[in-house]
Amino acid sequence: GEDVEQSLFLSVREGDSSVINCTYTDSSSTYLYWYKQEPGAGLQLLTYIFSNMDMKQDQRLTVLLNKKDKHLSLRIADTQTGDSAIYFCAESKGGKLIFGQGTELSVKP
Amino acid sequence: GAGVSQSPSNKVTEKGKDVELRCDPISGHTALYWYRQSLGQGLEFLIYFQGNSAPDKSGLPSDRFSAERTGGSVSTLTIQRTQQEDSAVYLCASRGQGPEAFFGQGTRLTVV
Repeated sequence: GEDVEQSLFLSVREGDSSVINCTYTDSSSTYLYWYKQEPGAGLQLLTYIFSNMDMKQDQRLTVLLNKKDKHLSLRIADTQTGDSAIYFCAESKGGKLIFGQGTELSVKP
Repeated sequence: GAGVSQSPSNKVTEKGKDVELRCDPISGHTALYWYRQSLGQGLEFLIYFQGNSAPDKSGLPSDRFSAERTGGSVSTLTIQRTQQEDSAVYLCASRGQGPEAFFGQGTRLTVV
């Protein structure tokens, strides 16, 4: 397909792990990104992964990349209520960043 | 400042008027992007500047939209003859030599 795709909603309990999935389009994308957007705010870069890597871990965040399937995931361990936000994945394509529609993560206490 | 700065933060304009939105990128960043985010939607790519290269304008939705980047720094997005469907948050981002692209807080445009 032409679009970066994400599921729209995810609901988890506080303390559980969250896994947000994304499929992207361009197998030549050099970098893939995860951004977080809290209500009324701009986009905050959470993490990125270089396309020759399979995994990247940064504190509670783990990014997994499956290049064969063009699938990217973001795992948030020990999810907190402060993690409630919209999460966007993005691929680099010809220098520009192409974003998915965003996944709204709702964390219930 | 240390981050990407956009002004104004909010703009209300009458249908048919022209508006200019400003973006001050992080100092030294050569790449600059404009995106549009409509209510509850994802980010729609508008335009990308990289150094002195010709900008990638492939995302501009109509010829009412244009953008400039003067001196490789500040950028202005201009929307002529605004329409109600132009109401959205306009986001600017900049990137340096590394892969990280940083966003400003956006300009919320309301066309009435």
